[in-house]
Amino acid sequence: QSVLTQPPSTSGTPGQRITISCSGSSSNVGGNTVNWYQQLPGAAPKLLIYSTDQWPSGVPDRFSGSKSGTSASLAISGLQSEDEATYYCAVWDDSLNGPVFGGGTKVTVL
Amino acid sequence: QVQLVESGGGVVQPGRSLRLSCTASGFSFSDFGMHWVRQAPGKGLEWVAVITDDGSHEYSTDSVQGRFIISRDNSKNTLFLQMNSLRSDDTGTYYCAKDRHQYDTSAQVDSWGQGTLVTVSS
Repeated sequence: QSVLTQPPSTSGTPGQRITISCSGSSSNVGGNTVNWYQQLPGAAPKLLIYSTDQWPSGVPDRFSGSKSGTSASLAISGLQSEDEATYYCAVWDDSLNGPVFGGGTKVTVL
Repeated sequence: QVQLVESGGGVVQPGRSLRLSCTASGFSFSDFGMHWVRQAPGKGLEWVAVITDDGSHEYSTDSVQGRFIISRDNSKNTLFLQMNSLRSDDTGTYYCAKDRHQYDTSAQVDSWGQGTLVTVSS
């Protein structure tokens, strides 16, 4: 059971905007920046958003991150079939003194 | 470009040991914190262990503390994970990964290996 809570799954149609939530506490989301990873089927994870709302080189700006209090969100605009993947939030936890992942959210493009 | 190549995975009996290695290239290995992340079959990601650039500090998740040891040899650009007293719930793919920050460790990993499969079974 992760200290970061994500919905197990969500879905959308091509072109739609969807959001994925990541709920934590003051020792992780509330006090530190949030990162998001995308894992395509059969592949290693990939850093998608870092420091809550920053994009690594090559990541399209259809993906965006935000945070409010102890909750964070990843938004995917203009959903595409290649976005079908599992998305994980990740944060440094000050109580554990280490990084933690959320449970992951599987995105299905209908 | 950054390359991380894991090795050492395989099938091992419960209670036995295994040592994973990760050979790094394409960046200044000694300047970056390094991570081991695992994924049980069909399950989510779990941070196993983290080590600072100079090896002076480490973090490991509760479930492996006292059994797994992360270490590094900066002269050989190699990261290790010594896994002792293995259990069936240690089964999974183990990824080696590089921290995005120099001289720090964080929850930001910007390069991953392809993973090595560890199966703990009698």
